[in-house]
Amino acid sequence: EIVMTQSPATLSVSPGERATLSCRASQSVSSNLAWYQQKPGQAPRLLMYGASTRATGIPARFSGSGSGTEFTLTISSLQSEDFALYYCQQYNNWPPWTFGQGTKVEIK
Amino acid sequence: EVQLVESGGDLVQPGRSLRLSCTTSGFSFSDYAMSWVRQARGKGLEWVGFIRSKAYGGTTEYAASMKGRFIISRDDSKNIAYLQVNSLKSEDTAVYFCALGGNVLDYWGQGTLVTVSS
Repeated sequence: EIVMTQSPATLSVSPGERATLSCRASQSVSSNLAWYQQKPGQAPRLLMYGASTRATGIPARFSGSGSGTEFTLTISSLQSEDFALYYCQQYNNWPPWTFGQGTKVEIK
Repeated sequence: EVQLVESGGDLVQPGRSLRLSCTTSGFSFSDYAMSWVRQARGKGLEWVGFIRSKAYGGTTEYAASMKGRFIISRDDSKNIAYLQVNSLKSEDTAVYFCALGGNVLDYWGQGTLVTVSS
């Protein structure tokens, strides 16, 4: 099973600042990496797939990069609605598809 | 508009079974794989498994830890996906989400809470 490790666990950022979230895979997942956003009490929402392709309706301030084992999600200028939990997920090796443990982006 | 609505979550005793439903609308259900993911309170996301569309055989895949007790099925005539969980254990207590897709999860339902306790 591929282990996904996200860092940091918590990221404190001021509104308007840039946030950089990292995700590392225990072995290569090529570009088969997705990012999801989850707010308290809500379902996750797909942000990114293929490591760098924004899902439908996702603002351009979200960008993804990386391949192999190292991935980054960048939020260029944090808005109030962006404070949430973020999960990466690999879909290269089954079973199973695996998620990282999440990074919480909180208001500084 | 794509909508997924889970139902069937409940408080159940250990050892019992439960069937969860995921009622969908807004897309061509029969054309897509459907997944189930669970989340224990305060914890991360855990993939349960998925079912392929009939065009890809309608077969199922499960996480290793879910094999044997979890059964995913679908009724394309009703646009509903199901998750049957047998021999429930306390560690199965979680919110169970259904999601559109077999690898990338494009849309999710709001989840249904399963609590396993005596």
